[in-house]
Amino acid sequence: GENVEQHPSTLSVQEGDSAVIKCTYSDSASNYFPWYKQELGKGPQLIIDIRSNVGEKKDQRIAVTLNKTAKHFSLHITETQPEDSAVYFCAASSQTGGSYIPTFGRGTSLIVHP
Amino acid sequence: EAGVTQSPTHLIKTRGQQATLRCSPISGHTSVYWYQQALGLGLQFLLWYDEGEERNRGNFPPRFSGRQFPNYSSELNVNALELEDSALYLCASRAQQGKNTEAFFGQGTRLTVV
Repeated sequence: GENVEQHPSTLSVQEGDSAVIKCTYSDSASNYFPWYKQELGKGPQLIIDIRSNVGEKKDQRIAVTLNKTAKHFSLHITETQPEDSAVYFCAASSQTGGSYIPTFGRGTSLIVHP
Repeated sequence: EAGVTQSPTHLIKTRGQQATLRCSPISGHTSVYWYQQALGLGLQFLLWYDEGEERNRGNFPPRFSGRQFPNYSSELNVNALELEDSALYLCASRAQQGKNTEAFFGQGTRLTVV
């Protein structure tokens, strides 16, 4: 089955700095890679996703890059703000054949200091 | 539009008892996923239901079971509770058909076994 590794487990930055979280996956059949943000006491919320037919996707201060050859993908947050502080999870899944069971990384706790 | 709702938000049980957790998916979503989020372990896949049928289960013992009702809501049952079952249990729903196939999470049920 799929195995997703996520690094770092904790990331501390100053407000305004950039933050990068990296994930690797094992199953070459995976073609869908969502990222979730989980704030304290809440469920994970989808913030951005990327499919295997593109290499990069941006949404305001958030971007995700995908390298299918190397089987790794990354989340980039620019101009970080204190409200970006949360746990971020990457996931990988194949969406072919009607089956979709995302496998998650262990999460990165992002702390943005004002 | 209402999101994924889970009940109860908190549940305290004694070791050996049974716990029942409930999930209502987003209207129009037919797939329901259950995940266990134990401290430091990320999200571990438990069960996937679609159209009333169990489609897949993760690497958990048989005392973790569930069902999906005709209205697509779902129940997760955990029998013979053990201390290590203490975790946040998350439900996610997804539309099997159509272009937007992201999974949306509820806020979770915090189960504490004492």
